[in-house]
Amino acid sequence: GQNIDQPTEMTATEGAIVQINCTYQTSGFNGLFWYQQHAGEAPTFLSYNVLDGLEEKGRFSSFLSRSKGYSYLLLKELQMKDSASYLCAVRDSNYQLIWGAGTKLIIKP
Amino acid sequence: IAGITQAPTSQILAAGRRMTLRCTQDMRHNAMYWYRQDLGLGLRLIHYSNTAGTTGKGEVPDGYSVSRANTDDFPLTLASAVPSQTSVYFCASSDGPDTGELFFGEGSRLTVL
Repeated sequence: GQNIDQPTEMTATEGAIVQINCTYQTSGFNGLFWYQQHAGEAPTFLSYNVLDGLEEKGRFSSFLSRSKGYSYLLLKELQMKDSASYLCAVRDSNYQLIWGAGTKLIIKP
Repeated sequence: IAGITQAPTSQILAAGRRMTLRCTQDMRHNAMYWYRQDLGLGLRLIHYSNTAGTTGKGEVPDGYSVSRANTDDFPLTLASAVPSQTSVYFCASSDGPDTGELFFGEGSRLTVL
């Protein structure tokens, strides 16, 4: 079966750095997405990786290793507004998105 | 720019009733999707449409139907609602089934009693 694993919840301090991991086992691979979802709101796109390596976008970076079935989202200089759930999703060989259950990130002052 | 509009935002429904969740996009995207989101689970695909006039079944299609008469609209119908269909429903669209990220509507919270 297809599976996306990410931690259920993480806590970090304002101003710090946090890394959210995602491991996947899917039928084929056509890209990995990270989305942010604030409570009660819609998911919004953060990043996309299809080749191995690091993609940097401001305070957020996403890393992919296809051989290890592994990705992480790195958030720097954490702000209170970064408190949200972070969803990892993989596009499989049929171009369907397989979603992880999300990681709830709690930022403390 | 509206993006994707869903209606209603929230609804309480008696079991056995028919319900249609509306979804309209103004981005001229080819592909549209309906997901449900339940606590502790990832987003699960109900139905999708890669282009106007075509639809396909996702991971959890039973009890739901969709239509795609034109590019902009993608309604989701529950023919006879059951309590297990209590969930938050998200409509999404993308430029194509194999390109680009998904853009989501604000969600429809449905409670079936």
